[in-house]
Amino acid sequence: DIQMTQSPSVLSASVGDRVTLNCKASQNINKYLNWYQQKLGEAPKLLIYNTNNLQTGIPSRFSGSGSGTDYTLTISSLQPEDVATYFCFQHNSWPFTFGSGTKLEIK
Amino acid sequence: EVQLQQSGAELVRPGTSVKLSCKVSGDTITAYYMHFVKQRPGQGLEWIGRIDPEDDSTKYAEKFKNKATLTADTSSNTAYLKLSSLTSEDTATYFCTFGDYFDYWGQGVMVTVSS
Repeated sequence: DIQMTQSPSVLSASVGDRVTLNCKASQNINKYLNWYQQKLGEAPKLLIYNTNNLQTGIPSRFSGSGSGTDYTLTISSLQPEDVATYFCFQHNSWPFTFGSGTKLEIK
Repeated sequence: EVQLQQSGAELVRPGTSVKLSCKVSGDTITAYYMHFVKQRPGQGLEWIGRIDPEDDSTKYAEKFKNKATLTADTSSNTAYLKLSSLTSEDTATYFCTFGDYFDYWGQGVMVTVSS
């Protein structure tokens, strides 16, 4: 199985900061990497699909990049409503796998 | 607009089974694979498996092969996840997800296994 390692596990930043979340795969996943935002008690919400494609309706402050085994989610200017846990997800190889999440907090 | 409506919360006894439903509206269930995901309280997400409602073919993560069974009913546009031989390890919220990019999600259903 492909292991997905997210870092950091907790990130505390100020409103307006540029924030970068990382996701590393144990092998090449050919850019089949999604990013999800999950708020407490809610279903995950798709932000980015296939590494760098912004889902319809998602604010443009969210962006994704990467290739091979290393991927990032960037929030260009952190907003209070971005407090959540963020998961990466590879759908290149069965079984599909998620990262363990980055919990994003406001300082 | 595509929506996935999942069945209600379940409180079940250890050793029994439970069958959860996920109904698609706004599209035909055969348009995409239906996937199911597990999330234990305060934990991360685990992919359980997927069904192709077009031909009922399935794929499961190894750890769920003797635990989960996926089925689909095209006449009611509904997919099902059956969990068997339940233990406390199965206490979790279960989500269904659908779409080209796993973009549509059900609201989740909480299953509590307790005597």
